[in-house]
Amino acid sequence: DTAVSQTPKYLVTQMGNDKSIKCEQNLGHDTMYWYKQDSKKFLKIMFSYNNKELIINETVPNRFSPKSPDKAHLNLHINSLELGDSAVYFCASSPSGTPETQYFGPGTRLLVL
Amino acid sequence: KQEVTQIPAALSVPEGENLVLNCSFTDSAIYNLQWFRQDPGKGLTSLLLIQSSQREQTSGRLNASLDKSSGRSTLYIAASQPGDSATYLCAVFNSNSGYALNFGKGTSLLVTP
Repeated sequence: DTAVSQTPKYLVTQMGNDKSIKCEQNLGHDTMYWYKQDSKKFLKIMFSYNNKELIINETVPNRFSPKSPDKAHLNLHINSLELGDSAVYFCASSPSGTPETQYFGPGTRLLVL
Repeated sequence: KQEVTQIPAALSVPEGENLVLNCSFTDSAIYNLQWFRQDPGKGLTSLLLIQSSQREQTSGRLNASLDKSSGRSTLYIAASQPGDSATYLCAVFNSNSGYALNFGKGTSLLVTP
């Protein structure tokens, strides 16, 4: 059973398009995250979210928006894609009370042409 | 702002050698520190978590130490095996970081048979 899953695994698209990446966790966790790993392999937080609070990294463009239809899902919507958005995007989740214990998904490799 | 640095960026060793990976961080007011393993095309797996009050943690052939006052941690791998080949990431958790882990860029380890 996959604890944190992401779809799609690979995404190739043109500049200017709008795309979404889905994330689901079946661990019953309260908090979910999106991280971006760029070409230099640097993993940086984009968002952390639970049903009470959305915390956004101030460096994330407003073209990126998280959407949570329920506690088990946190999808990432990206509008007007740019070349610099090409990266691997990781979703993660953590249980209530232990935010440092994060379980990561396999990543979505986004390539913007 | 917390900055995490890992040295070396890449390391190649013959099977059977003991090795040390280094991690340093600029803000010593951390809650805990973790070492993760990242395999190509896969997500991150937590190897060891050291709370700020602890000095070290051990799991099998892995031993991680933490010197919070100097802002340093090491991951010691004993009797390395080809299966240890992966990227090793150090991440610190600050209570004021919005629940996000702050990652280093990682050390890419290759263990040759």
